[in-house]
Amino acid sequence: DTEVTQTPKHLVMGMTNKKSLKCEQHMGHRAMYWYKQKAKKPPELMFVYSYEKLSINESVPSRFSPECPNSSLLNLHLHALQPEDSALYLCASSQVPGGETQYFGPGTRLLVL
Amino acid sequence: DAKTTQPNSMESNEEEPVHLPCNHSTISGTDYIHWYRQLPSQGPEYVIHGLTSNVNNRMASLAIAEDRKSSTLILHRATLRDAAVYYCILRDRKGGSEKLVFGKGTKLTVNP
Repeated sequence: DTEVTQTPKHLVMGMTNKKSLKCEQHMGHRAMYWYKQKAKKPPELMFVYSYEKLSINESVPSRFSPECPNSSLLNLHLHALQPEDSALYLCASSQVPGGETQYFGPGTRLLVL
Repeated sequence: DAKTTQPNSMESNEEEPVHLPCNHSTISGTDYIHWYRQLPSQGPEYVIHGLTSNVNNRMASLAIAEDRKSSTLILHRATLRDAAVYYCILRDRKGGSEKLVFGKGTKLTVNP
């Protein structure tokens, strides 16, 4: 099983809402990643978790709050987002931090109104 | 991270070979060359990677120039399913870099 699952597939939220994105993998991978992808642009790294600890935060605004409750699960908590935060949010995992291959989920398409 | 340069777009016909070029003139000795692709409405997927020697797998081949300043991803027989954006990425293995830094990529169109 080389699957990374993400829920929900689509999300519409207002600027005052609080919502969460969820990512799950059952490959025993110890590194998990959040990327943001705007339309017609390449993915951009947001956060990296290594062995359930945050190891990289690419200067992401605090309205995005990642959480790694266990080695299989990664959440991204969203609060007071702006319309420009509308994007595809991709989760990925790799066997170890810096592992050769990252496996990506299908993403959550977020629209902020 | 060292930079890569790829054509914005390329076109191919079904069942013909496709050669996708990537220039990386500032590559360091410890940089691996990775290729990922992103099909429409999907997340990126790993295609292949290499350091110095040419590499083959079930999806594609990777040809690396002797000076390592360029590489070419080869799809031996393109299918409609291969229509995607292909990203060439350099990863520094010296520090066990956790980052994948995506460039703009090449959008491949496959004509029936």
